Amino acid sequence: SQTIHQWPATLVQPVGSPLSLECTVEGTSNPNLYWYRQAAGRGLQLLFYSVGIGQISSEVPQNLSASRPQDRQFILSSKKLLLSDSGFYLCAWAYRVSTDTQYFGPGTRLTVL
Amino acid sequence: GENVEQHPSTLSVQEGDSAVIKCTYSDSASNYFPWYKQELGKGPQLIIDIRSNVGEKKDQRIAVTLNKTAKHFSLHITETQPEDSAVYFCAASDLGGGADGLTFGKGTHLIIQP
Repeated sequence: SQTIHQWPATLVQPVGSPLSLECTVEGTSNPNLYWYRQAAGRGLQLLFYSVGIGQISSEVPQNLSASRPQDRQFILSSKKLLLSDSGFYLCAWAYRVSTDTQYFGPGTRLTVL
Repeated sequence: GENVEQHPSTLSVQEGDSAVIKCTYSDSASNYFPWYKQELGKGPQLIIDIRSNVGEKKDQRIAVTLNKTAKHFSLHITETQPEDSAVYFCAASDLGGGADGLTFGKGTHLIIQP
């Protein structure tokens, strides 16, 4: 079966510090990978998606970047965090073909102070 | 691009009653409609989905209906229980339309009153 991991689960960082959130998927190959942010309230904002190693598409221009160094690893980064980067960050995966069903990880709660 | 509207934003029902959450979508090419349940502090979990070649799908106490002509779909939960309390998201997608995938509604906070 497939599983998706995110770490850390919780993070408190000062304004201006760097960020690195990691997501890994097990039990499948060549998945599509996604990063979402969920700010105060409930909406899911798609930040980045990737269809393969080194292939990143950005949905929203902002202070964040993403990388996919390995097939089942997706990293969300920032060089300098802003207060507005606080939120709940979710990683998701989907099979490359045949379905758009996305399966979410447990999330990382980021607080920028 | 696709736009998904979800109503209501908050729904409070008595335990044992039914709950209905409604979504509309704008892109007639959309053909896949999943529903997710998100408990506090956790990632959303897929609870049911429907594709455009069927009008209704059931799984125990939950069901989803789809009206492609009107471009709306609904989640029905019967005999609600306290563990049904959560935020529910609908989404829409054009299968094969691109890797960016799903467009989500803004969510419904379902509260089950004991």
